[in-house]
Amino acid sequence: LAKTTQPISMDSYEGQEVNITCSHNNIATNDYITWYQQFPSQGPRFIIQGYKTKVTNEVASLFIPADRKSSTLSLPRVSLSDTAVYYCLVGANNTDKLIFGTGTRLQVFP
Amino acid sequence: KAGVTQTPRYLIKTRGQQVTLSCSPISGHRSVSWYQQTPGQGLQFLFEYFSETQRNKGNFPGRFSGRQFSNSRSEMNVSTLELGDSALYLCASSLTSGGATDTQYFGPGTRLTVL
Repeated sequence: LAKTTQPISMDSYEGQEVNITCSHNNIATNDYITWYQQFPSQGPRFIIQGYKTKVTNEVASLFIPADRKSSTLSLPRVSLSDTAVYYCLVGANNTDKLIFGTGTRLQVFP
Repeated sequence: KAGVTQTPRYLIKTRGQQVTLSCSPISGHRSVSWYQQTPGQGLQFLFEYFSETQRNKGNFPGRFSGRQFSNSRSEMNVSTLELGDSALYLCASSLTSGGATDTQYFGPGTRLTVL
């Protein structure tokens, strides 16, 4: 399983766009990139998943460059409720177990 | 559709005791995974069950065990509790696998405190 590296913490203000980058230099050909969000004392929640280029849903966008050695989660116009820990995970098909790293603690200020 | 439910939500035990935690997955989901979360170690994978068979296992001692029933409900058991077992235990269900590409739906967790 590819190891991931994310910033430990980030600060932002309401209304701003937040970009969290994850490094995964050893990503394998079959690996997908998935992001989860976790609020205190709750289980993680799936945000977005992608393989290459760009993926967008109603919550976020995921940008993956051609070499796939990194990925960027983009949260448009964050609000206070986006304050959480964000985890980047890399793995393939249905046999790789989920390995959560330390995550990025995002703090949004008013 | 109801989400993943875990019981009990909170539990206090003493060292040496054993504990059983329960998880009911989302209806139709066949895979159930268990995780331990502590401030020091973060989220760590315990094991995954699919169709009543353990399909994947993390690096935890044999005191940690689990099982899955025919209705996909799962239980995990921790015997001979140690202080370090105090943690939030999370259960996640998914449609077909506990793997990296299948969306995991997590329950609210069981907060276990060992005194």
